[in-house]
Amino acid sequence: DGGITQSPKYLFRKEGQNVTLSCEQNLNHDAMYWYRQDPGQGLRLIYYSQIVNDFQKGDIAEGYSVSREKKESFPLTVTSAQKNPTAFYLCASSSYRGQQYGYTFGSGTRLTVV
Amino acid sequence: DAKTTQPPSMDCAEGRAANLPCNHSTISGNEYVYWYRQIHSQGPQYIIHGLKNNETNEMASLIITEDRKSSTLILPHATLRDTAVYYCIVRVEGAAGNKLTFGGGTRVLVKP
Repeated sequence: DGGITQSPKYLFRKEGQNVTLSCEQNLNHDAMYWYRQDPGQGLRLIYYSQIVNDFQKGDIAEGYSVSREKKESFPLTVTSAQKNPTAFYLCASSSYRGQQYGYTFGSGTRLTVV
Repeated sequence: DAKTTQPPSMDCAEGRAANLPCNHSTISGNEYVYWYRQIHSQGPQYIIHGLKNNETNEMASLIITEDRKSSTLILPHATLRDTAVYYCIVRVEGAAGNKLTFGGGTRVLVKP
């Protein structure tokens, strides 16, 4: 079945360390996105990519980096510059021109800084 | 993308219809209304979307006012599994980046 796979589901990181969250999709979608969600809050856009080898900053890109070397993959690196990285991270994808059923989301990665 | 306003929370009795309002008074002519829901600790799930006409699918109905400044998502027979946060989003179909901007949503609690 087609879908988006995020791994790992839970991740613990020591302060000062970089960590990379994986996002893979087999939906043949052009665009991919990363969102951050804090407890009791809505989703905030970190980065998005409309096409391979291209990406744009979202609303809260500081302290994060991404790459889009393959259509299927859009990994997110949380760097040590991110002051408060503990959050729930969601990856999504969509076809570039939009599609009838909108976005498809992964099941998320919960990152905790210890 | 236009901003939306939703009540922060609402309760609903199991088996009854749940009517979730959304205001989007600054919506422009080419912006669609989308509804997603997020069950605790999961990724958001698409429910329905529309431009001008009312829409219905197996999950819900979407009623959009004639002036398009507000809409209502209707869950016809709410079940306990419908307990979730429901997000109303407006965006231009096919716009650069196809970004979805989430607000706070409505936390719906379906009670037995």
